[in-house]
Amino acid sequence: GAVVSQHPSWVICKSGTSVKIECRSLDFQATTMFWYRQFPKQSLMLMATSNEGSKATYEQGVEKDKFLINHASLTLSTLTVTSAHPEDSSFYICSARHGTLNTGELFFGEGSRLTVL
Amino acid sequence: AQRVTQPEKLLSVFKGAPVELKCNYSYSGSPELFWYVQYSRQRLQLLLRHISRESIKGFTADLNKGETSFHLKKPFAQEEDSAMYYCALAPGGSNYKLTFGKGTLLTVNP
Repeated sequence: GAVVSQHPSWVICKSGTSVKIECRSLDFQATTMFWYRQFPKQSLMLMATSNEGSKATYEQGVEKDKFLINHASLTLSTLTVTSAHPEDSSFYICSARHGTLNTGELFFGEGSRLTVL
Repeated sequence: AQRVTQPEKLLSVFKGAPVELKCNYSYSGSPELFWYVQYSRQRLQLLLRHISRESIKGFTADLNKGETSFHLKKPFAQEEDSAMYYCALAPGGSNYKLTFGKGTLLTVNP
């Protein structure tokens, strides 16, 4: 149980286009989801906290107009990279907090690799 | 501000040898500490958390508030332990906003 799935696993797009990445909790309701960015051989950097039914909370230095986050249901959060540029190329990972388990554990998606040409 | 430091980017040991992955943190309150592991081509998953004081796959970690450390230890490393290990900190309470260390790549040689 407690599986988080991301889609797509990898995507290549042209500069200037927008890309949407989905994060789904498959067998549980996730009241909170988190989006991270990971550069090669570096750690995960938290981008934003996504709460169902409310606006996302962005970390300092993350452009909210660039990285649009929507958490429309208890099982789905989306990250849209708008007007993508090559510097947005990265590995994007989501995690979800189980709505009823209060263990402190976060469940991670498999990640989505974005390459902007 | 909270910070997690993993001083070793790479750690290489032989099978059967003890292993210790270091983690130090800075946080003004009472944090919750975790170790997450990422095996090759797999997603990040929880290995253990300090509040449960459990041993998972032979690994243990003790929170030392005096030294602000949460080192991960295993007395006899196995080849299947080779992976990327991340120490993470969450503020106490119900906030699960994790701050990750930069990770340590553990390689266990046969």
